[in-house]
Amino acid sequence: DAKTTQPPSMDCAEGRAANLPCNHSTISGNEYVYWYRQIHSQGPQYIIHGLKNNETNEMASLIITEDRKSSTLILPHATLRDTAVYYCIVSYRNSGNTPLVFGKGTRLSVIA
Amino acid sequence: GAGVSQSPRYKVAKRGQDVALRCDPISGHVSLFWYQQALGQGPEFLTYFQNEAQLDKSGLPSDRFFAERPEGSVSTLKIQRTQQEDSAVYLCASSQRAGGTEAFFGQGTRLTVV
Repeated sequence: DAKTTQPPSMDCAEGRAANLPCNHSTISGNEYVYWYRQIHSQGPQYIIHGLKNNETNEMASLIITEDRKSSTLILPHATLRDTAVYYCIVSYRNSGNTPLVFGKGTRLSVIA
Repeated sequence: GAGVSQSPRYKVAKRGQDVALRCDPISGHVSLFWYQQALGQGPEFLTYFQNEAQLDKSGLPSDRFFAERPEGSVSTLKIQRTQQEDSAVYLCASSQRAGGTEAFFGQGTRLTVV
């Protein structure tokens, strides 16, 4: 079972920031937070991951609370192409024996 | 190619037929994963290879499902005597590292069993 809780759906106006929350209250000390997204009819795409510090890359920013029980993925300027299902996943890094466990994710709709 | 390639893109099988789904991972990637995704659900783990070794097959739903990666590159997922409940998108992913959690996914094969 997924160890994360996400809202089933969200809307965001084009050009605005999209803030996608995720709860992972049972995360253990060595587990990372990963975000993937899946655009319609495509395979999932890796976005970003973090352990406890906030992270930023060319796609998004990841804000992790100090107690690590929740996080937020931020798409700073959402475009129509960002419409997708976003999955928050908690996993040990590069462990192999604990593959990524996807939940149902959040369906983000970016509206013009 | 630059990404993970899966073929065929679509497959329609009659119930009871055997099918084989192919995955070409990114060249040099050590890890290869297969996932099954039912309509409206997130992907569910089937099996994991590290090079040619199948280290985890705990997600395979029955003994009708078999996966191999004999030379540590291309992988095939075979489903014998297909059933309607096997209808799903089958996703392959590869990662540079052993057990890599930053994985690249293919577009998947949509299997429909009629």
